Amino acid sequence: AQKVTQAQTEISVVEKEDVTLDCVYETRDTTYYLFWYKQPPSGELVFLIRRNSFDEQNEISGRYSWNFQKSTSSFNFTITASQVVDSAVYFCALSEVSGGGATNKLIFGTGTLLAVQP
Amino acid sequence: SQTIHQWPATLVQPVGSPLSLECTVEGTSNPNLYWYRQAAGRGLQLLFYSVGIGQISSEVPQNLSASRPQDRQFILSSKKLLLSDSGFYLCAWSRLYEQYFGPGTRLTVT
Repeated sequence: AQKVTQAQTEISVVEKEDVTLDCVYETRDTTYYLFWYKQPPSGELVFLIRRNSFDEQNEISGRYSWNFQKSTSSFNFTITASQVVDSAVYFCALSEVSGGGATNKLIFGTGTLLAVQP
Repeated sequence: SQTIHQWPATLVQPVGSPLSLECTVEGTSNPNLYWYRQAAGRGLQLLFYSVGIGQISSEVPQNLSASRPQDRQFILSSKKLLLSDSGFYLCAWSRLYEQYFGPGTRLTVT
């Protein structure tokens, strides 16, 4: 069965600290997709990144970076020099592709609440 | 660009009353559409998804139903609400892999 584990329930850091959010996944599919979403206090989920299973290249976008390692089934997310505006719940998700890719259902982890203190 | 709308934003309903939540997408055609519920414990649960008009798949047996009367409209309904239906309901759309979420409806059943 497919599963996403975010073992860190809550993390609290002081502004400007670096923080890494962990994500471990389980799947038997050879082709799959991994995602990170941000949920600020307003509630709307904001898409951050998608990573294909066949592309292990790490990615950096501004202060955000992602480390994808198939060998350990992990897709970790690092925020460098955190800011108060980064405070949110962050979800890691795995796609279940079925029907020839028609449905693309997402399996979410339970989320990590990041609190950045000023 | 694509936009997804949900209404109402918040709703307080008594137990046993009916429910209708609406989701519409602009700027795309033939999207896949999804309804999720997020309970107080934070986890997101997929309730329904649709790959086309009139095509609904249910993920979890429950007190709710979904319909897709038009290409870009997705409705979540209930004939009689239960206390356990309280939560934050999110609609999402996708064309390929990413899902894009609406602003959500916060439902409180009293």
